[in-house]
Amino acid sequence: GESVGLHLPTLSVQEGDNSIINCAYSNSASDYFIWYKQESGKGPQFIIDIRSNMDKRQGQRVTVLLNKTVKHLSLQIAATQPGDSAVYFCAEYYNQGGKLIFGQGTELSVKP
Amino acid sequence: DTAVSQTPKYLVTQMGNDKSIKCEQNLGHDTMYWYKQDSKKFLKIMFSYNNKELIINETVPNRFSPKSPDKAHLNLHINSLELGDSAVYFCASSQGTGFPQPQHFGDGTRLSIL
Repeated sequence: GESVGLHLPTLSVQEGDNSIINCAYSNSASDYFIWYKQESGKGPQFIIDIRSNMDKRQGQRVTVLLNKTVKHLSLQIAATQPGDSAVYFCAEYYNQGGKLIFGQGTELSVKP
Repeated sequence: DTAVSQTPKYLVTQMGNDKSIKCEQNLGHDTMYWYKQDSKKFLKIMFSYNNKELIINETVPNRFSPKSPDKAHLNLHINSLELGDSAVYFCASSQGTGFPQPQHFGDGTRLSIL
């Protein structure tokens, strides 16, 4: 069936540490993945995306890794800051339905 | 210079009423969406329109009716509101169909049914 899930519902890190948020997806035919950040009272904000012909993509302080063999996606945030505290969602583009399937979300808490 | 804007931000009403939520995007995108986010933060697509044409219609009750007067606007009308409709509703937009592009979200409309 369609499902995109997260291994950890909550993650607490110290300011300055690196954070890793994991995501498992179920549809091996999915060819596009997105990470979103959602702050309290706001809508999801695009962070970074990756297409299935890549296994790594880097942005500013963020890196997304895609392992198609085990259908796993991760978001790495370098030098995590208090402003990074939010709920992070991975989303899988389900080509047959032409829609994004969102995971449950991981709440990242950054301790100063 | 808000990209995707929704009104109202908060909507409190009684069961049985009819209400509408409006969405506008100034990004020049062709495709717009409505999502529902429940109390556990789970986001699920409801509808998608491309150039005013309905392209995704999930298993949403008939009480929900989207309307797209032009490609920059996608409104959501809800009839006979029920307690289970309480949620945050997000509008989003993206460029084109075919190969996927990132979707840009509004800040949501929090609907509370009394």
